[in-house]
Amino acid sequence: AQSVTQLDSHVSVSEGTPVLLRCNYSSSYSPSLFWYVQHPNKGLQLLLKYTSAATLVKGINGFEAEFKKSETSFHLTKPSAHMSDAAEYFCVVSQYGNKLVFGAGTILRVKS
Amino acid sequence: EAQVTQNPRYLITVTGKKLTVTCSQNMNHEYMSWYRQDPGLGLRQIYYSMNVEVTDKGDVPEGYKVSRKEKRNFPLILESPSPNQTSLYFCASSTLRDGEAFFGQGTRLTVV
Repeated sequence: AQSVTQLDSHVSVSEGTPVLLRCNYSSSYSPSLFWYVQHPNKGLQLLLKYTSAATLVKGINGFEAEFKKSETSFHLTKPSAHMSDAAEYFCVVSQYGNKLVFGAGTILRVKS
Repeated sequence: EAQVTQNPRYLITVTGKKLTVTCSQNMNHEYMSWYRQDPGLGLRQIYYSMNVEVTDKGDVPEGYKVSRKEKRNFPLILESPSPNQTSLYFCASSTLRDGEAFFGQGTRLTVV
């Protein structure tokens, strides 16, 4: 069965410093992997997706993620945090058809 | 504009009073699904549909019903809501080609 573990429930960074949100997945086959962001009282927005093409995936707003099969990881990074990045981030795996399995989420706090 | 529309956005109801949350998409997507979001648990799939008249249970289907009479609409029905169904609900749609899902804005349901 597929599963996703987000290793930190909360991450706090200062504005202008790097962001790292960690995600490990479990999957029997080659998965599709996604990162979604949810701002307070908003819906979910796709940040980026991996679907077995390039292992380094670039997304919107300067975010990127690297698919590492040997480590079963798909960590999300951004070189320099902005106040507007404060939100909850979900790592998601899709394997069988279109079913999405979500991690528990990581709340990112950005301090000024 | 491509979108998934849910209504209502907010709903407070009493135990046992039947309710329906509507969901409509304008992207001609085959796959539609419902998720509930609870703190610390991420999003969990309730029901999904791969096309008109084809629906199936997700991970947490108890207490819910769905129907798919038209491709664009996928209502969620709570025949007899209970307080443990208080949650934030999201409808999503995608093509069958990949798992990238488009989400509605969410419906915050409170059952008292």
